[in-house]
Amino acid sequence: EAGVAQSPRYKIIEKRQSVAFWCNPISGHATLYWYQQILGQGPKLLIQFQNNGVVDDSQLPKDRFSAERLKGVDSTLKIQPAKLEDSAVYLCASSLVVDKTYEQYFGPGTRLTVT
Amino acid sequence: GQSLEQPSEVTAVEGAIVQINCTYQTSGFYGLSWYQQHDGGAPTFLSYNALDGLEETGRFSSFLSRSDSYGYLLLQELQMKDSASYFCAVKDSSYKLIFGSGTRLLVRP
Repeated sequence: EAGVAQSPRYKIIEKRQSVAFWCNPISGHATLYWYQQILGQGPKLLIQFQNNGVVDDSQLPKDRFSAERLKGVDSTLKIQPAKLEDSAVYLCASSLVVDKTYEQYFGPGTRLTVT
Repeated sequence: GQSLEQPSEVTAVEGAIVQINCTYQTSGFYGLSWYQQHDGGAPTFLSYNALDGLEETGRFSSFLSRSDSYGYLLLQELQMKDSASYFCAVKDSSYKLIFGSGTRLLVRP
């Protein structure tokens, strides 16, 4: 079965610019997650979707970050405007159902550099 | 608050056994997962413990003691390819997975 797909793999932008990331989860997986991973740290959950509804977005900086999951499949994460501290790897993951959140499948990530 | 503590770095010799500990303090606890992440790669799921005791999967085993808020990952017959970061992660009562800061394992010849 195909894994979680993400694009782009790398992105370099200047501060105050905007950027968008795309994720396609494993087919049939109802739950989708976006994480931010800063170098040397563990993944930090930004937002969690169950189908196309938001389960948790308590750690999403809503003044600059937004995410959507149209039709309960693909998802996009946007940052506008970007700050230097947003430099990180953005990981998308999916799990079969929310009850199996302990077993997540991760995509390769997008490495964002903000200059 | 919620916190997970694990050693930042562990070094071991090829063929040896290594144990990576994890202690946690979270609001609500359903179970403890372990993930492996090679440099530049994606985290991959290794194991999950919801109940006390030892779970074995090949060369890897994971242990949980809910009363002690403690778990560990045991890696046997270490291979060079096991050099990676290992994360413990708690499934909390809101169905989120909260990750620790990771343990970097270096396997030497």
